[in-house]
Amino acid sequence: GAGVSQSPRYKVAKRGQDVALRCDPISGHVSLFWYQQALGQGPEFLTYFQNEAQLDKSGLPSDRFFAERPEGSVSTLKIQRTQQEDSAVYLCASSSTRTDGNTIYFGEGSWLTVV
Amino acid sequence: DQQVKQNSPSLSVQEGRISILNCDYTNSMFDYFLWYKKYPAEGPTFLISISSIKDKNEDGRFTVFLNKSAKHLSLHIVPSQPGDSAVYFCAVHKAAGNKLTFGGGTRVLVKP
Repeated sequence: GAGVSQSPRYKVAKRGQDVALRCDPISGHVSLFWYQQALGQGPEFLTYFQNEAQLDKSGLPSDRFFAERPEGSVSTLKIQRTQQEDSAVYLCASSSTRTDGNTIYFGEGSWLTVV
Repeated sequence: DQQVKQNSPSLSVQEGRISILNCDYTNSMFDYFLWYKKYPAEGPTFLISISSIKDKNEDGRFTVFLNKSAKHLSLHIVPSQPGDSAVYFCAVHKAAGNKLTFGGGTRVLVKP
């Protein structure tokens, strides 16, 4: 596809359940970002990959959150033992450059609701 | 510690008039300042940006102003159109960094 693709678009998880969110970045983009957006707030940085290397995971809120990008393309954000406070939109973004904010393209997000 | 703040959660403006959105930041070390636009159920899309060495950047109906001494950023939309109705986020980042820091957003409603 032409844009960043995320799946599932919507996920309802029971508290304590593990979830996995997938991101297909734009083909050839070396940089990949995950952001979390709570209701009524701006996106907050979670983690950054350059190719398969996770260079920054300072935004991951707890050790229940884990992200990987093993082959430098598709990425998965995994949340273990989900809690209600994990309910948010998880946005994936990709870029062909490392630092140029105006060339970061966002996906439509995965909406997670923990009940 | 909110590094980027958008103090107006919403703004309503008549079609054809000017929309002014404001953003304040705390860290003088940021190098790039951006505005993103977001429609419901879509991801944010880049709108316009400015580097720290400039104080104004214009792109069609959109102009961004940067006041470094006040650590203040604003976006002017002239004239406003109904299709501009969306949530607008300001964002900042450092040249050597790899992440955007976003404000909380301002919801703009342009009335026909």
